[in-house]
Amino acid sequence: QSVLTQPPSVSGAPGQRVTISCTGSSSNIGAPYDVHWYQQLPGTAPKLLIYGNSNRPSGVPDRFSGSKSGTSASLAITGLQAEDEADYYCQSYDTNLSVVFGGGTKLTVL
Amino acid sequence: QVHLQQWGAGLLKPSETLSLTCAVYGGSFQRYFWTWIRLSPGRGLEWIGEISHTGIPNYNPSLKSRVTISIDTSKNQFSLKLTSVTAADAAVYYCASRPRGHFDYWTQGTLVTVSS
Repeated sequence: QSVLTQPPSVSGAPGQRVTISCTGSSSNIGAPYDVHWYQQLPGTAPKLLIYGNSNRPSGVPDRFSGSKSGTSASLAITGLQAEDEADYYCQSYDTNLSVVFGGGTKLTVL
Repeated sequence: QVHLQQWGAGLLKPSETLSLTCAVYGGSFQRYFWTWIRLSPGRGLEWIGEISHTGIPNYNPSLKSRVTISIDTSKNQFSLKLTSVTAADAAVYYCASRPRGHFDYWTQGTLVTVSS
């Protein structure tokens, strides 16, 4: 199992807001190391969505936002669109294991 | 902007050595850590290791005994070797660039199958 824990799946209707949690520990997110988020559309490579807990790379819509508190982080998606259906991964650093990822969350747009 | 292109064998037999190379185009080769990551249904995304432009590697402790990452700065390329592969090593392998804590550019990946 992954060092960072994510829900296997979340879902929401178009236009709704969904959140994806990423839970770690005092040796990674709580150390505190930054959390980053990636979106993987079917058949494509992961794409950087959020870096440094809450920063969006150029081109990422402001519907996507990230936050971090203690040993957990969250990705929020507002105004859900069909094109948001994808797998989402969180990533951080662990003092024992170096780079670590969450197990991934499949977002279904109903 | 960085563009990455990777190549290598996608079908291996158990006990063989996986070998992949990634070429870097654009950007500054010295600004990044050059990384290998894999994705499998059972393990999700897994960081394999990385190398700095000065040639200093860092490996996932769980794979360290079988992994070697090397760099050729004259060609702006870096490579992955994973020895003694088993079915558990079947995955899509990506090379990626890491400017700080995150990975900003990724390749499309190479599907590696391990079968006798």
